[in-house]
Amino acid sequence: EVHLVQSGAEARKPGESLKISCEASGFNLNNYWIGWVRQLPGKGLDWMGMVFPVESNVTYSPSFQGHVTISADKSLNIVFLQWSSLKASETAIYYCVRHGVFGSSASDLYFYIDVWGKGTAVTVSS
Amino acid sequence: SYELTQPPSVSVSPGQTAKITCTGDALTKQYAFWYRQKPGQAPVLVIYKDTERPSGVPERFSGSSSETTVTLIISGVQAEDEADYYCQSADNINTFHVVFGGGTKLTVL
Repeated sequence: EVHLVQSGAEARKPGESLKISCEASGFNLNNYWIGWVRQLPGKGLDWMGMVFPVESNVTYSPSFQGHVTISADKSLNIVFLQWSSLKASETAIYYCVRHGVFGSSASDLYFYIDVWGKGTAVTVSS
Repeated sequence: SYELTQPPSVSVSPGQTAKITCTGDALTKQYAFWYRQKPGQAPVLVIYKDTERPSGVPERFSGSSSETTVTLIISGVQAEDEADYYCQSADNINTFHVVFGGGTKLTVL
């Protein structure tokens, strides 16, 4: 069975750094676009970006570009999401997701999410 | 940035049909996908490519598309369908960028 296994809940102070992880179970994540989705408390879903590990190709939502770093370790089959300086407003649940994609050419691709991790709760508070 | 607009809430009685809309200019060119999220759980895909239903999703879930609006239709709503529903598509400039609607809370009266 296919799963995304995320690292556990984290608590940090504002200004601290953090790196959370996501491992694939039941499939090789190097063959997929793996991304992250944020959900602020009581709010909707915000797509942050995704990485294609085998090519180290990363794309970010404009809302998150420069604020987080998405990376992958191909040999370990793990994807990461990291912050260099957290803010209290980044307290949220972060979901690791696997993207399904279809289309006939590189300019005609459609991305969706076919597997979700259980989420990692990140609390940023002084 | 590109936006998808959903009504914040929809209410229906058990057995009735619920319709949740999602509007966006790029939906004339982009497919839409729908996810259901129950409290404390991760979302689950319930409709893909506007109208297709993944295996395991009940037949009462369906989708339709017309111009700039896609609709999630739940026929014969059951109490267990109470959840938040999100539509998803792609940025109309950079199709590698996924976009979600704001979400709709479905209440079963």
